[in-house]
Amino acid sequence: KAGVTQTPRYLIKTRGQQVTLSCSPISGHRSVSWYQQTPGQGLQFLFEYFSETQRNKGNFPGRFSGRQFSNSRSEMNVSTLELGDSALYLCASAAGQGNTIYFGEGSWLTVV
Amino acid sequence: AQSVTQPDIHITVSEGASLELRCNYSYGATPYLFWYVQSPGQGLQLLLKYFSGDTLVQGIKGFEAEFKRSQSSFNLRKPSVHWSDAAEYFCAVGGDDKIIFGKGTRLHILP
Repeated sequence: KAGVTQTPRYLIKTRGQQVTLSCSPISGHRSVSWYQQTPGQGLQFLFEYFSETQRNKGNFPGRFSGRQFSNSRSEMNVSTLELGDSALYLCASAAGQGNTIYFGEGSWLTVV
Repeated sequence: AQSVTQPDIHITVSEGASLELRCNYSYGATPYLFWYVQSPGQGLQLLLKYFSGDTLVQGIKGFEAEFKRSQSSFNLRKPSVHWSDAAEYFCAVGGDDKIIFGKGTRLHILP
């Protein structure tokens, strides 16, 4: 069974630009969550989607948004990028609420 | 408030020595508990989890963890570490809504 797949793995953007990251969950998993990981703040929860609906949201500004498609694939978008958005963005999937979450390899975003 | 505390930011042990990584949590009900490991540049890999039942859980790579309700702890242990265990370890606690992660403990192995 394929694991959680994230694309792209690495990208560099300029301040003010926007970026879209993609995540394909494990087959059969309907819950997808996103995390931001930085050396200073550690792992921070961004949001979680289940069956195309956002169920939970972390404490991030509105520049961070996401969506989930009918096939459970998910995208997250960050608009008006700031230098502080440089981070590893991790996607995780789970069969449902209360189930174990499995992580992808992450997308490394560098904002210059 | 729900929280997870990993009091040790860094731990250094010699190869072959035993290991214990500490994790304390604050949660309203009996939580689901997890330990994940992250190698440099990689995502998080699940080591083990506790949902219910036996409070001593076995995981992959020879790791185990014990849930102690009275101490609100879920410490990770390994009897003999290998150089390949050098990584960052995250404790996590969750329920039916979301999972919260600790700040992580970076494990260094001395040859």
